[in-house]
Amino acid sequence: EAQVTQNPRYLITVTGKKLTVTCSQNMNHEYMSWYRQDPGLGLRQIYYSMNVEVTDKGDVPEGYKVSRKEKRNFPLILESPSPNQTSLYFCASSLFSPPSGSGANVLTFGAGSRLTVL
Amino acid sequence: QKEVEQNSGPLSVPEGAIASLNCTYSDRGSQSFFWYRQYSGKSPELIMSIYSNGDKEDGRFTAQLNKASQYVSLLIRDSQPSDSATYLCAGTQGAQKLVFGQGTRLTINP
Repeated sequence: EAQVTQNPRYLITVTGKKLTVTCSQNMNHEYMSWYRQDPGLGLRQIYYSMNVEVTDKGDVPEGYKVSRKEKRNFPLILESPSPNQTSLYFCASSLFSPPSGSGANVLTFGAGSRLTVL
Repeated sequence: QKEVEQNSGPLSVPEGAIASLNCTYSDRGSQSFFWYRQYSGKSPELIMSIYSNGDKEDGRFTAQLNKASQYVSLLIRDSQPSDSATYLCAGTQGAQKLVFGQGTRLTINP
């Protein structure tokens, strides 16, 4: 089944403890992106990647890192999490960028990772 | 000004009526627009895309785009309780980004 898989789905952690949220897609997509979703603010883009070894900042990159060493994986790293990073995180991918409305180029989302930083 | 703006609602519509969801955008260079539906606790899923001025219909859904007014809308005819969800408007920004609005929460009342 074609999908975007995120782990963990739920995580409670403490301030300063490094964590990684993994994202993997099995559709050979070039474009991958991380979003965070907060009440009243919608989906905001953190980082995106156009292809292997090509990453760039989105609108809210502070406090996050990413890497794209393989086409299928795009992990999100929080080096020193803080309470303001408590949020619902979504990884998404499409065949290429920008996403479109049909076929393999539809932006497909993972199930989400709910992160709480105490 | 946020690049894509939506009224966050909640919007309450009786079953069987037309639900009208609106979205404005600030980047005149945006070419493509999308409506995503997100059920509570789930991930967004694409329901409509529109690229040119005018209307695009798909079943009970109609997307409307007016580039001169920088306005996108989604009409849901014969609204059903299963349409209750948050609807996210999104527009492309350049070749790399898809920018989302804050979402409108829609409730269909039986």
